[in-house]
Amino acid sequence: GQQLNQSPQSMFIQEGEDVSMNCTSSSIFNTWLWYKQDPGEGPVLLIALYKAGELTSNGRLTAQFGITRKDSFLNISASIPSDVGIYFCAGRPHPRVQGAQKLVFGQGTRLTINP
Amino acid sequence: DAGVTQSPTHLIKTRGQQVTLRCSPKSGHDTVSWYQQALGQGPQFIFQYYEEEERQRGNFPDRFSGHQFPNYSSELNVNALLLGDSALYLCASSLMGGEETQYFGPGTRLLVL
Repeated sequence: GQQLNQSPQSMFIQEGEDVSMNCTSSSIFNTWLWYKQDPGEGPVLLIALYKAGELTSNGRLTAQFGITRKDSFLNISASIPSDVGIYFCAGRPHPRVQGAQKLVFGQGTRLTINP
Repeated sequence: DAGVTQSPTHLIKTRGQQVTLRCSPKSGHDTVSWYQQALGQGPQFIFQYYEEEERQRGNFPDRFSGHQFPNYSSELNVNALLLGDSALYLCASSLMGGEETQYFGPGTRLLVL
């Protein structure tokens, strides 16, 4: 089945720093999503991307749908303590790909911020 | 407006037992999806229910089954539990065709001993 490779697996940064994480796949995706999961909670949708090349912002968060449709990245600017958590990319494969309707998740990036 | 709720929050079972997890979707939503999230991993799609029928299924054995009720709530049943079934089980609700804006519940953490 489809797999998403998300990197880095973990990040340790200082408050105020910018953060960048990405997700890649060997097959093309029609939709890319970025979620954040806090301890004891389910994932919460941050940004949804629907077109190749699309660049979308949500406050200090910016995400892009890669031109090749096989990757996406998420940037967080000027990190603050509440940004701590696990960030997941997720994608919906192209309809020609078997099982395309299922949402596929990356392994997550754990973000830790030192005050 | 209540969000997605799941019960129980935690559960401990032994190998070979059976378990039922429950989910109530967000008000107005008609579609429920179930995911398994192993420790340190992303969620993996189990199946989706709409109009009381299983519409899509991930790569999970038949030991995993589900049900959706007329009020859109849903159950996930797992038979013959294995140690490897220990995970956080997440329910997500949405409107059919709008899975990109699905809302997740807090999950049920299952430990199989």
